[in-house]
Amino acid sequence: NAGVMQNPRHLVRRRGQEARLRCSPMKGHSHVYWYRQLPEEGLKFMVYLQKENIIDESGMPKERFSAEFPKEGPSILRIQQVVRGDSAAYFCASSQGPGNTEAFFGQGTRLTVV
Amino acid sequence: TQLLEQSPQFLSIQEGENLTVYCNSSSVFSSLQWYRQEPGEGPVLLVTVVTGGEVKKLKRLTFQFGDARKDSSLHITAAQPGDTGLYLCAGAGAGNNRKLIWGLGTSLAVNP
Repeated sequence: NAGVMQNPRHLVRRRGQEARLRCSPMKGHSHVYWYRQLPEEGLKFMVYLQKENIIDESGMPKERFSAEFPKEGPSILRIQQVVRGDSAAYFCASSQGPGNTEAFFGQGTRLTVV
Repeated sequence: TQLLEQSPQFLSIQEGENLTVYCNSSSVFSSLQWYRQEPGEGPVLLVTVVTGGEVKKLKRLTFQFGDARKDSSLHITAAQPGDTGLYLCAGAGAGNNRKLIWGLGTSLAVNP
């Protein structure tokens, strides 16, 4: 009865390194959403994926950020050449599908860029 | 651009008091969800309202969806310290893109 699993919980990267954030959705959920949260800005939508497809990436910066949700395995949010401004909590949520918008969240990955 | 405004942004009350927080938009949503987030954790879904005018109760929490499906309120009766947290509302648009539109949240502190 596992919920949405994110790892790692905490990630420290030096400027210029790559960050890989993983998200395993709830069992039976084929839709994944990634959000970024800063203390002053609330939850900001980044990208919405179904298995093997990106449905909406309008909230994701066009450079350095990418996301995938392969047929097998977790969804990955990848940030290349991280900068200090990338420091934030990144949350993943999953839902069953188009007929159900209820999203269940993981505990997040807190990325710190030093 | 769809926006959800939540008010108040911050609220500090004493245990036993009642409170209401609001979630307002100029847009119509097909459904609206309320979440609570505690520090260091992800948001936890409390309730989903779908029908205009709908009222749902969850113990001491009462959720209402506006008749026009543009706004919602959350009323807490006899607040307890365990109610402390960030309350977020999120609206779902119509169509196949189920991207939720999020408010910035109401940060509630209930003091013993």
